[in-house]
Amino acid sequence: SQKIEQNSEALNIQEGKTATLTCNYTNYSPAYLQWYRQDPGRGPVFLLLIRENEKEKRKERLKVTFDTTLKQSLFHITASQPADSATYLCALGLSGGSYIPTFGRGTSLIVHP
Amino acid sequence: NAGVTQTPKFQVLKTGQSMTLQCAQDMNHNSMYWYRQDPGMGLRLIYYSASEGTTDKGEVPNGYNVSRLNKREFSLRLESAAPSQTSVYFCASSVSGFSYEQYFGPGTRLTVT
Repeated sequence: SQKIEQNSEALNIQEGKTATLTCNYTNYSPAYLQWYRQDPGRGPVFLLLIRENEKEKRKERLKVTFDTTLKQSLFHITASQPADSATYLCALGLSGGSYIPTFGRGTSLIVHP
Repeated sequence: NAGVTQTPKFQVLKTGQSMTLQCAQDMNHNSMYWYRQDPGMGLRLIYYSASEGTTDKGEVPNGYNVSRLNKREFSLRLESAAPSQTSVYFCASSVSGFSYEQYFGPGTRLTVT
């Protein structure tokens, strides 16, 4: 069966360090992958999209990589700040099928001052 | 622009009661979605509407009905609420088509006793 795996344990890091979150998947042929941020009590907010033929995407302090051989995406936040503390969700869209993304369960990031 | 709005924000129902969750978007998006989010389960798609006049089942449609009233509005109805439907419900919209990011509303927290 298809699975999207994100670390269920919270990631704790110190302010100023680079946070790296992982999204692994099995039995998918994704056409694209998205990352969202979700704050407590609020809806997810779109951050970045990377397509299957792209290796890396950047936006300000954010960087996403996509390795279709390893079936993995890494999401990096450089120079992290306490305001970056949130839950981060990855979502995969399939090639040749519905365009609607399937979401992972998310990983909580806590940035300590 | 308000983006995606949802009403109500909170609701408590007794088992067997019915209710309708309302969602509206002012971004002229073609596609709209309803998700539920439960602890440890991530976001699961209930129903979606690719365009005005069409609706389709998602991953967990049982116990729900939807209406795409017009391009702006997409409602979710629980005909006979059950405790298993206790969850946070999110409405989302997207431009349409392949790999567009989704814009989420603030959510409705529903408790069924």
